[in-house]
Amino acid sequence: QSALTQPPSASGSPGQSVTISCTGTSSDVGGYKYVSWYQQDPGKAPKLIIYEVSKRPSGVPDRFSGSKSGNTASLTVSGLQAEDEADYYCSSYAGSNNMIFGTGTKVTVL
Amino acid sequence: QLQLQESGPGLVKPSETLSLTCTVSGGSISSSYYWGWIRQPPGKGLEWIGSIYYTGSTYYNPSLKSRVTISVDTSKSHFSLNLSSVTASDTAVYYCARRSVTTVTIDYWGQGTLVTVSS
Repeated sequence: QSALTQPPSASGSPGQSVTISCTGTSSDVGGYKYVSWYQQDPGKAPKLIIYEVSKRPSGVPDRFSGSKSGNTASLTVSGLQAEDEADYYCSSYAGSNNMIFGTGTKVTVL
Repeated sequence: QLQLQESGPGLVKPSETLSLTCTVSGGSISSSYYWGWIRQPPGKGLEWIGSIYYTGSTYYNPSLKSRVTISVDTSKSHFSLNLSSVTASDTAVYYCARRSVTTVTIDYWGQGTLVTVSS
């Protein structure tokens, strides 16, 4: 199974929005509602920010939102803040109790 | 608050077996969650290795399946990873984690431990 495809980088100025795509296949992203997004600061473990495509865990700001269309999921960060600068990874259920991660996107706040 | 802590050697020789243990505290390992391992080579992305249910049912990444064994010891509240015949490409930060059965998402992570494969 190949990693889900994400753009290597994305950027925006404070207050702007940035959207990250996560492209898979009908066997993973397109086939299930189980797409998650994680934020990872340097040297730290990833932190869950979106699950089941668009749900936010308690404590995650509503500036983070998720969606899916066909085989592509997206994460949008609205009202960018300096603290949002991090690496972001998507993941998807891939059937048979397997899961697969995206290639990762580095978000830079200009 | 649930906590997961990885432990094991930080250096493993090529062709040998990498062994790590994850100790679960602040919650029961015998609850309805999967317990798993994820790794991240330096400067690269995340890779799911596999997971185990407290009953012992295991699920492995097909690309690693021939070399991976995950086991659980509920009496000690820990689960373990064995990765055999390691090479330099297995050098990575290894995370243990909890995966929800219902939402299929990883909601708790250990802090991670760097394992280097080198002679």
